[in-house]
Amino acid sequence: QQQVKQSPQSLIVQKGGISIINCAYENTAFDYFPWYQQFPGKGPALLIAIRPDVSEKKEGRFTISFNKSAKQFSLHIMDSQPGDSATYFCAASKNNDMRFGAGTRLTVKP
Amino acid sequence: ETGVTQSPTHLIKTRGQQVTLRCSSQSGHNTVSWYQQALGQGPQFIFQYYREEENGRGNFPPRFSGLQFPNYSSELNVNALELDDSALYLCASSLGHGSGNTIYFGEGSWLTVV
Repeated sequence: QQQVKQSPQSLIVQKGGISIINCAYENTAFDYFPWYQQFPGKGPALLIAIRPDVSEKKEGRFTISFNKSAKQFSLHIMDSQPGDSATYFCAASKNNDMRFGAGTRLTVKP
Repeated sequence: ETGVTQSPTHLIKTRGQQVTLRCSSQSGHNTVSWYQQALGQGPQFIFQYYREEENGRGNFPPRFSGLQFPNYSSELNVNALELDDSALYLCASSLGHGSGNTIYFGEGSWLTVV
């Protein structure tokens, strides 16, 4: 059922560094690509999202880069902070069907 | 807090039993989706309800069923529980059902099947 492949599975970054998480999708019908952040014991929360007609979207320290021809998109977290330590999920959706990647556990070391 | 509340938070069931999970959507949200999240995996779409009608379904067998009520709250029912049904069940609500509508997740119901 998973149509979205996410890497890496886990990532350790020093405080102030850049965290990069990559995703690839298969279905070209997907038209909405969100990223979710999940802390232990909590449900996922929307972080940032992009549509395929845009190649990049930036919100604060978070940037999505989108490559439609390669069917790939990535999340960049600039100036990573210990409070960013969480599991991050990319997703791709068409109408009511949203497919999630398997997640990346990010640890930011102080 | 997203305003999406789920109950119960944790429960243990025996294989073959039936379970009902409940969800109250965020105020004004008319669309509720249910997801299954196995340990260490991303959420998988089970189905969605829009204005009390099922509006899409993922690759789950018919023993997974649901309801949405006039106040937009929802239930997920799973019959004939199997060990592999052990997971976190997430409810998410949104205003509208198209792509791009922000969905807000509850904190989930942890189901353990023994």
